Amino acid sequence: KAGVTQTPRYLIKTRGQQVTLSCSPISGHRSVSWYQQTPGQGLQFLFEYFSETQRNKGNFPGRFSGRQFSNSRSEMNVSTLELGDSALYLCASSLGQGVDTGELFFGEGSRLTVL
Amino acid sequence: SQKIEQNSEALNIQEGKTATLTCNYTNYSPAYLQWYRQDPGRGPVFLLLIRENEKEKRKERLKVTFDTTLKQSLFHITASQPADSATYLCALDPSGNYQLIWGAGTKLIIKP
Repeated sequence: KAGVTQTPRYLIKTRGQQVTLSCSPISGHRSVSWYQQTPGQGLQFLFEYFSETQRNKGNFPGRFSGRQFSNSRSEMNVSTLELGDSALYLCASSLGQGVDTGELFFGEGSRLTVL
Repeated sequence: SQKIEQNSEALNIQEGKTATLTCNYTNYSPAYLQWYRQDPGRGPVFLLLIRENEKEKRKERLKVTFDTTLKQSLFHITASQPADSATYLCALDPSGNYQLIWGAGTKLIIKP
């Protein structure tokens, strides 16, 4: 089956702009998580959505937001971009319930550069 | 503070030897621990999960151990190959709420 698809793969923005990243999970997966990865901080949890509801949120400012649609696709938005937002943004999907042990299936990521 | 530690320095191993990576954690009592592989510019790929009541888990050339007393997991790759070169990440879910906490990863280099 198709894997997790993230778009766009690469993008360049300037400070103060906003950006929207998209994620299509594996078919049948209802949980979508977003992570920020930087060389200095590693993988950091942004938020997790399950059936269109945000279940968990990491310690990021309110400029970072997300949503999930009824087909489980998810978007995340970063407003008023700062230089420090330059990172690889990873989306991961999982079943999110029941016997699911939390194994995550990651997309290839969206590489954001803020100038 | 709560944290996960992995060897920050790259690990250089001769092809054919066993590579052993370490993941230590403090102040958690996770129900399970996961290991992922990440290649440059790619998303992490799930390798193995080990539960708190399991001492050891194997998958082909991979073996993971989990010592909840020492709060440590060891990840072994036997008969290592250059294609095994990558960064290996450990992760755990402290609260069982699908919010994984990650180690910084260990870069493994297998030399021919």
